Amino acid sequence: EVVMTQSPLSLPVTLGQPASISCRSSQSLLHSNGNTYLSWFQQRPGQSPRRLIYKVSNRDSGVPDRFSGSGSGTDFTLKISRVEAEDVGVYYCMQGTHWPRLAFGGGTKVEIK
Amino acid sequence: QVHLVESGGGLVKPGGSLRLSCAASGFTFSDHTMTWIRQAPGKGLEWLSYISGSGTNIYHADSVKGRFTISRDNAKNSLYLQMDSLRVEDTAVYYCVRPVDSSVDSWGQGALVTVSS
Repeated sequence: EVVMTQSPLSLPVTLGQPASISCRSSQSLLHSNGNTYLSWFQQRPGQSPRRLIYKVSNRDSGVPDRFSGSGSGTDFTLKISRVEAEDVGVYYCMQGTHWPRLAFGGGTKVEIK
Repeated sequence: QVHLVESGGGLVKPGGSLRLSCAASGFTFSDHTMTWIRQAPGKGLEWLSYISGSGTNIYHADSVKGRFTISRDNAKNSLYLQMDSLRVEDTAVYYCVRPVDSSVDSWGQGALVTVSS
């Protein structure tokens, strides 16, 4: 079973400043086909999760370019270059390499200082 | 546009049963695997169950194995989750989710299940 660990648990950020969230997996997420199936989701208060990033660094349609993903193997990062008020919510990483048993990180709550 | 609508949530006593449904539209349902994911109040996301497009292959998380059963009716574009022997800790919002390329790209609005005496 793959365990996903996110940090920090809570991330107070000043508007316009950058933010960074870390995600680590207990096993490598590099698939035998050469892809790494690590996704990032945003969940705004009262809403369903929405995918932002797939396969480490690919932004979904409509996702602002201030969001970026990076990493490899077992260490991954989601960065927001300049936090806006609409970015408040909880962010989750998820592994899909060890399909079909998906696994999520515990979540990082982004809030405005 | 992918649209997933869950129904069937509600209040049930411990040990009781409930059946969730998910109506899918906007894509060829039978071509896609489907999953259920839940979120306990104030908690994170937990993958529960997976079913292949044909319904032949099924997997459940250990936390619900033997109590929950995923199924689908491709003729009705519908996904189901039969939940038996419910426990207080099964209280959560249950999401019907469409996987794509080892990720998930579409979520329903969720169905709240409350298990309480």
